Amino acid sequence: DAGVIQSPRHEVTEMGQEVTLRCKPISGHDYLFWYRQTMMRGLELLIYFNNNVPIDDSGMPEDRFSAKMPNASFSTLKIQPSEPRDSAVYFCATRGQNYEQYFGPGTRLTVT
Amino acid sequence: AQSVTQPDIHITVSEGASLELRCNYSYGATPYLFWYVQSPGQGLQLLLKYFSGDTLVQGIKGFEAEFKRSQSSFNLRKPSVHWSDAAEYFCAVGAGPTGTASKLTFGTGTRLQVTL
Repeated sequence: DAGVIQSPRHEVTEMGQEVTLRCKPISGHDYLFWYRQTMMRGLELLIYFNNNVPIDDSGMPEDRFSAKMPNASFSTLKIQPSEPRDSAVYFCATRGQNYEQYFGPGTRLTVT
Repeated sequence: AQSVTQPDIHITVSEGASLELRCNYSYGATPYLFWYVQSPGQGLQLLLKYFSGDTLVQGIKGFEAEFKRSQSSFNLRKPSVHWSDAAEYFCAVGAGPTGTASKLTFGTGTRLQVTL
């Protein structure tokens, strides 16, 4: 299995631009999580899905952030418009029935 | 709400020495506990987990952890550290609707440096 796949691995964009991060979960995993990691705030859960349905989005910082999971094989996290304080590493993780979350390699986002 | 405290931000040990990383949790019910490791520029990798049963759990790379309910602790140990163990280590507690451990709350991490 290829594991959780995230793209792009690095993204540099200017303030105000739209950013879309992508995640392909491990086949058969029915939970998908989006996290953000920064030096100041550590690892934060933004939102998670179960069977493609958003269960808890209480960690999404602002309306500028949105996430979708149109099918079991794909999820996106979108920031529109982006701001410099959104600069962070964004991780996607997925989980099957054994409660173990498997993390992708992350997307390092830099907003200038 | 659940929380995790990792009191040591940074630890330095010599290669071959033993290691113990501390983790204290707060959760009202029986917790699901995890240790993850993150190498620079990488995602998090699961080292081990505790759900129930034997309070001493074995993980990958020679790591083990002991769940102590009376102390609300889940400390990570390794008898002999290798230089390749240098990384950041995160403790996490799981909770969620109907005890599914869906949401993980992570500690702030402990950065391990290994000297040769």
